[in-house]
Amino acid sequence: EPEVTQTPSHQVTQMGQEVILRCVPISNHLYFYWYRQILGQKVEFLVSFYNNEISEKSEIFDDQFSVERPDGSNFTLKIRSTKLEDSAMYFCASSPRDTSRAKNIQYFGAGTRLSVL
Amino acid sequence: DQQVKQNSPSLSVQEGRISILNCDYTNSMFDYFLWYKKYPAEGPTFLISISSIKDKNEDGRFTVFLNKSAKHLSLHIVPSQPGDSAVYFCAASAGSGTYKYIFGTGTRLKVLA
Repeated sequence: EPEVTQTPSHQVTQMGQEVILRCVPISNHLYFYWYRQILGQKVEFLVSFYNNEISEKSEIFDDQFSVERPDGSNFTLKIRSTKLEDSAMYFCASSPRDTSRAKNIQYFGAGTRLSVL
Repeated sequence: DQQVKQNSPSLSVQEGRISILNCDYTNSMFDYFLWYKKYPAEGPTFLISISSIKDKNEDGRFTVFLNKSAKHLSLHIVPSQPGDSAVYFCAASAGSGTYKYIFGTGTRLKVLA
């Protein structure tokens, strides 16, 4: 069964460093997303991406964050200068972008745990 | 801003009995609702969804009920199995122009053998 894959599973970084989280969405999907879950809190939407541009972003997704689809398979989230409060589980998701909501379900990867020290 | 609330952080149920997980929402613009389950070290897995034009959707052992006037939905699992033990998230989406999901905080279900 097709799945969303994320690497690495755990990333440890020093405060102020740049990190890139990587995702390979399901191959025929056209919409891509990043969510994060701070420990003990709910899963929060960060950004959605379609047709090589951001289609929607939350207030969390400030200038320190960027997304890119560098080739036909990868989708990345970059945090330019990490802060302690960026420590969280980051989930990538993808959906087929069908006009039917029932067929446009988002499928999630297993996540990357980011630890900022 | 808790637009989607799951007020029960945990629930324990005996194997074979019914599990009922509840979710409340405040945003009347939400028109599509989903349930995801999450095992440790895995991402959320889609379980079942419902459009606001319906009040019930069923898929095998899983049924989701929607009460729009009360802004309440529930997930029923019958019969519950030990493999159903996971964290269950309710999520909502607000219609055309946005595809983002707003998640609740989750309910940890434990099915006792």
